[in-house]
Amino acid sequence: AQSVTQLDSQVPVFEEAPVELRCNYSSSVSVYLFWYVQYPNQGLQLLLKYLSGSTLVESINGFEAEFNKSQTSFHLRKPSVHISDTAEYFCAVNKGNGGSQGNLIFGKGTKLSVKP
Amino acid sequence: NAGVMQNPRHLVRRRGQEARLRCSPMKGHSHVYWYRQLPEEGLKFMVYLQKENIIDESGMPKERFSAEFPKEGPSILRIQQVVRGDSAAYFCASSPNRVDDGYTFGSGTRLTVV
Repeated sequence: AQSVTQLDSQVPVFEEAPVELRCNYSSSVSVYLFWYVQYPNQGLQLLLKYLSGSTLVESINGFEAEFNKSQTSFHLRKPSVHISDTAEYFCAVNKGNGGSQGNLIFGKGTKLSVKP
Repeated sequence: NAGVMQNPRHLVRRRGQEARLRCSPMKGHSHVYWYRQLPEEGLKFMVYLQKENIIDESGMPKERFSAEFPKEGPSILRIQQVVRGDSAAYFCASSPNRVDDGYTFGSGTRLTVV
């Protein structure tokens, strides 16, 4: 069965510092990979996704993630964080074969706390 | 264009009562997914539905839980005879096709069993 591991449950950083949130997945087949963000008392919002093509994907608010097949990783990075980036971030995976499985498998989440 | 609408936002039930959680997908979305979020555990898949069909219910507890997505109206997640362990946030998501497009999530229903 597929699984997603987010190694850090909490990541505290200072404003304007760089950050990396780690995500590893276990799969022997091609996958689709996603990062979602959850602000307090809200649902999850899609941040970015990797389906195929370029291994580096970017979001509109400065986050990026790189798909590394050999290391089965999809780490999320931002070169300079803002207070408003404080939220919980979830990595998710699904089989990339376009088949009947519609459900995503989520990691346990990483709480990013940006301090002034 | 309204997003995924879930109601109620908060639901309090006594042990043994029934809980009904409703989810209206985004317009044009025909796939609905239910997830449960427990503290420190992330989101756990429960069930995947299309109109009038349950596609995958591998994450649903075998007893007391059921889900439907009728031809008309919202998707319903029903929990009978609730117990304290059912207290959690329940999120619904929808997508236009399969997961390739990513999901759009609702704001969730927070169920508290007292």
